[in-house]
Amino acid sequence: DQQVKQNSPSLSVQEGRISILNCDYTNSMFDYFLWYKKYPAEGPTFLISISSIKDKNEDGRFTVFLNKSAKHLSLHIVPSQPGDSAVYFCAASAETGANNLFFGTGTRLTVIP
Amino acid sequence: DTAVSQTPKYLVTQMGNDKSIKCEQNLGHDTMYWYKQDSKKFLKIMFSYNNKELIINETVPNRFSPKSPDKAHLNLHINSLELGDSAVYFCASSPGLLNSPLHFGNGTRLTVT
Repeated sequence: DQQVKQNSPSLSVQEGRISILNCDYTNSMFDYFLWYKKYPAEGPTFLISISSIKDKNEDGRFTVFLNKSAKHLSLHIVPSQPGDSAVYFCAASAETGANNLFFGTGTRLTVIP
Repeated sequence: DTAVSQTPKYLVTQMGNDKSIKCEQNLGHDTMYWYKQDSKKFLKIMFSYNNKELIINETVPNRFSPKSPDKAHLNLHINSLELGDSAVYFCASSPGLLNSPLHFGNGTRLTVT
């Protein structure tokens, strides 16, 4: 039972354009959402997060949007750079005290120079 | 100076063997985790460990056991290895506070033949 879903396994974007990665979740108890970036043969690296009390969080070129009613979040990267090419994982957790993250299956982003 | 380090990076072994994967974090974090990434690239929590409190994902076979000699280490022992145990195992740590990002190691690719 996958509670966090990323329905696009891959995305290709031209350098300089916007990349939009999407994520849906089913558990209404989730109140903290994160995006991780992963290069081959490395572990996931934390990118940006948002709590359920907000609908937008921005950090440089990265912005995460949260739509609680739709149980949907997205990551916008503007402008996209070739170094952004990686697999992006969406993750979520609920205030259970365990801080356990539920991950999506990832979206492979390729930024074309 | 890697924040979360795990060894070995690759582990190839035969069915029925017992093996261990070591994990160390130098971030001063209170909570450590083991995640498994299966062939479908799905990252799933196996254990979280905080101040001697172990929280186990109920789907994890009891052949898997985490051992924490101190706050900076959480090793994973696997008994009677099976073909289905082949996966990439990631160690992670966090400050132990709710809604704090996890920091991951680079993973151990386990292949059971």
